[in-house]
Amino acid sequence: VLTQSPVTLSLSPGERATLSCRASQSVSSYLAWYQQKPGQAPRLLIYDASNRATGIPARFSGSGSGTDFTLTISSLEPEDFAIYYCQQRSNWPPECSFGQGTKLEI
Amino acid sequence: QLQLRESDSRLVKPSQTLSLTCAVSGGSISSGGYSWSWIRQPPGKGLEWIGYIYHSGSTYYNPSLKSRVTISVDWSENQFSLNLSSVTAADTAVYYCARALNYYYIDVWGKGTTVTVSS
Repeated sequence: VLTQSPVTLSLSPGERATLSCRASQSVSSYLAWYQQKPGQAPRLLIYDASNRATGIPARFSGSGSGTDFTLTISSLEPEDFAIYYCQQRSNWPPECSFGQGTKLEI
Repeated sequence: QLQLRESDSRLVKPSQTLSLTCAVSGGSISSGGYSWSWIRQPPGKGLEWIGYIYHSGSTYYNPSLKSRVTISVDWSENQFSLNLSSVTAADTAVYYCARALNYYYIDVWGKGTTVTVSS
């Protein structure tokens, strides 16, 4: 089970955002982060805990391993306000699950 | 550029079987190393992983849905499919097909299709 916190995060453009994702048991580094805007499919931001996906700006960074992970947005841009989900996979069989999401609002 | 397209939105009656297809273009579904996935999102709620089929044909399903789910692939048509049996209103959601790497992280998503379960 993945638990994200906070449920809602209220910040202003230019501020730093720190989102947390905690796993109920170790997922090694099998942790990804997605951004979803209304009416759109999610977009991959980070995979394997800390690797930025292709085309993702450097202000997005991921860290952590085992059970505790963090997504950091160093300086919020207006387009960053969205819902963020973390996702993990178990070692074997490779079953997946998502966190419940964090809404980042202005 | 790889694109995924789910079949059109549909209305399904309770207890019936939901069937969706995902057409893959711009690449071959038989390419090694990818898992062809289904994810859903109920209205106003979060994402739920349904399962995937690996390029080898192996399938992995969400344990909570496993008894009702079948994911299959049609190599000749370059598409894969989802069957979900005995649907209820709780299965109402936007269903996404997607390509996953390393058995989990999704780098390509379809636009999603709406499935409504109602009599």
